[in-house]
Parts: sequence; C-alpha cells; structure tokens
Amino acid sequence: AQTVTQSQPEMSVQEAETVTLSCTYDTSESDYYLFWYKQPPSRQMILVIRQEAYKQQNATENRFSVNFQKAAKSFSLKISDSQLGDAAMYFCAYRSEGNTPLVFGKGTRLSVIA
Amino acid sequence: NAGVMQNPRHLVRRRGQEARLRCSPMKGHSHVYWYRQLPEEGLKFMVYLQKENIIDESGMPKERFSAEFPKEGPSILRIQQVVRGDSAAYFCASSLRLAGNEQFFGPGTRLTVL
Repeated sequence: AQTVTQSQPEMSVQEAETVTLSCTYDTSESDYYLFWYKQPPSRQMILVIRQEAYKQQNATENRFSVNFQKAAKSFSLKISDSQLGDAAMYFCAYRSEGNTPLVFGKGTRLSVIA
Repeated sequence: NAGVMQNPRHLVRRRGQEARLRCSPMKGHSHVYWYRQLPEEGLKFMVYLQKENIIDESGMPKERFSAEFPKEGPSILRIQQVVRGDSAAYFCASSLRLAGNEQFFGPGTRLTVL
C-alpha cells in the first residue's frame, strides 16, 4: 500500500519570505499523481497544486511550486513571498492511476509571522 | 455552478444514536469518495461509490457504517449507534467519470458525539 510522510508537523515563515514543506511517499507504481492541499481554519480542502508523475517538469502555480524528485520519491512544496493568508494546514496526497482514492500525509501546520 | 455540497455542516449526536451525512456531488460527477479526518490527523479514505454501486469500501469499518449513492439524490454516509470515537470531520469528494480527473471536496460535516 502507498504511504505519504510529512516529517514537519509545524513550520513558520516570516511574511514575504520563502518556505519549503517536505513530503516523501512510498509506492511501487510508475504512474501516479501527487497533490498539495491547503486546509485553512474553515476546514475546506483547497487544491494548491498537482503533479503528474510522468511529467519531468515541476508544476508551478503563481507563488507555489514543487520540487518533484521521482527517484527519491520526494515532493516538496515551495511557497514564495509568503502571505498571512497562507497560514493553514498543508497536506501532501498521492493517488494512483484511475479513479482511486487519495492517500494523505498527516499534514504540516504553517504559521506566517507578520 | 455549485460545488460539492454537504449537509449538515455540524451534527451533534448522543452515544447510541444514528448519524446521517449527505453529499451532493458537483453537477455531472458520478464518482463520490468519503474521507474521515480525526483531530490533528490527515484525511483517511473510507469508501468510493459510483451511482448505485459501491466500488471500494476497504477504508470503512465493517460494523455500524454504511454508504449509498442512489440513482437519484445525494450520497449518504450512515453511522449507526455512534460512539465518541466517531467524532470527526467527514469529507465528501466527487469527480468525473474519466480517470485522472480531480477530486473536488465539499466543506465537510463535523460530527460530535456526546
């Protein structure tokens, strides 16, 4: 079974600075998808960014980018120019090919300091 | 273009009562997933349904829990004889039929068992 590990329970960053959240996963599959979700205090799950495993190019979405290292099974999230609204729980998630459920890590709580 | 809807948003039950959680997927989505989030944890998969079919219920406890997604109407997650350990946030996500499509999350139902 696939597993997702987020080794940083909590992180903090100064406003306007850059922070990187770590995620590693374990799988024997070659085709899969990786995601970062943001969960603010409202508890709504918001998709931040996704990466298809077959794509070598790292995904970017405005201030959010990933460092996808397939051989190392690593998928870190970089948030640039951090804003107060970025404060939330961040979950890394894995999904196999097909209509399959997501496997989540335990999350990293990000605080942004003004 | 309404998103995934869940109701109620908050549900309080006493031990031994039944809890019914409803999920209306996005328009055109025929796949529904239920996840449970215990306090300070990531989301854990419970059950995956298509219209009138349970595809994967490997994450759902064998006793007291059941789920359905009828031809008409919302998907229902039913918990009979609730216990304190059932207190959690329950999220529903929906996706299109095609493989690889996003799962869009509802706002969740927070169940509290007294």
